[in-house]
Amino acid sequence: QQQVKQSPQSLIVQKGGISIINCAYENTAFDYFPWYQQFPGKGPALLIAIRPDVSEKKEGRFTISFNKSAKQFSLHIMDSQPGDSATYFCAASIRTSYDKVIFGPGTSLSVIP
Amino acid sequence: NAGVMQNPRHLVRRRGQEARLRCSPMKGHSHVYWYRQLPEEGLKFMVYLQKENIIDESGMPKERFSAEFPKEGPSILRIQQVVRGDSAAYFCASSLAGSAANTGELFFGEGSRLTVL
Repeated sequence: QQQVKQSPQSLIVQKGGISIINCAYENTAFDYFPWYQQFPGKGPALLIAIRPDVSEKKEGRFTISFNKSAKQFSLHIMDSQPGDSATYFCAASIRTSYDKVIFGPGTSLSVIP
Repeated sequence: NAGVMQNPRHLVRRRGQEARLRCSPMKGHSHVYWYRQLPEEGLKFMVYLQKENIIDESGMPKERFSAEFPKEGPSILRIQQVVRGDSAAYFCASSLAGSAANTGELFFGEGSRLTVL
């Protein structure tokens, strides 16, 4: 199945808290898992990505945790800030000759002061 | 501006009219992708093109929708005889030649928001 599931649909976190977004997939052919961030009125932009041979990747306040056996991965945003308020999409890329990326339905994150 | 350029940013059409959305990829990028985003939904893949070739159109509706990426000029997503259900944001993305295994990064434009009255 070329589908990526994502939860929660929306998330409200207080400033300084941890935001956690979870995703799951079925197709074991997926070999690249990016996260995109989208601000209102803008296009999505790559935030961070991970390959299945790595269990965790951290970039600043953003961390991806990857569980290959469970076919799940998650994004953790530490010390969440109001500027992090955006829609986050997890995605999966299929190993073919081109960059076809399948997106999850998105999580709308609001970080309140 | 070296980013992905889409125009128009906003387009209003009446039912039955045609909509044409244009996308100029980032400089040096030869791969173009179109995605559709409905309110409260994710990005749905529509079509992938290289210059003068449609590589994958598995996400395109069978009727009324077409896409092209000519040798010269921008990629065009064309919607004929629009209906209200076509109202959405249409995003174009581009990438360097190569496979997802290399970078997986798509560079998106800011989208074209189509409203069908």
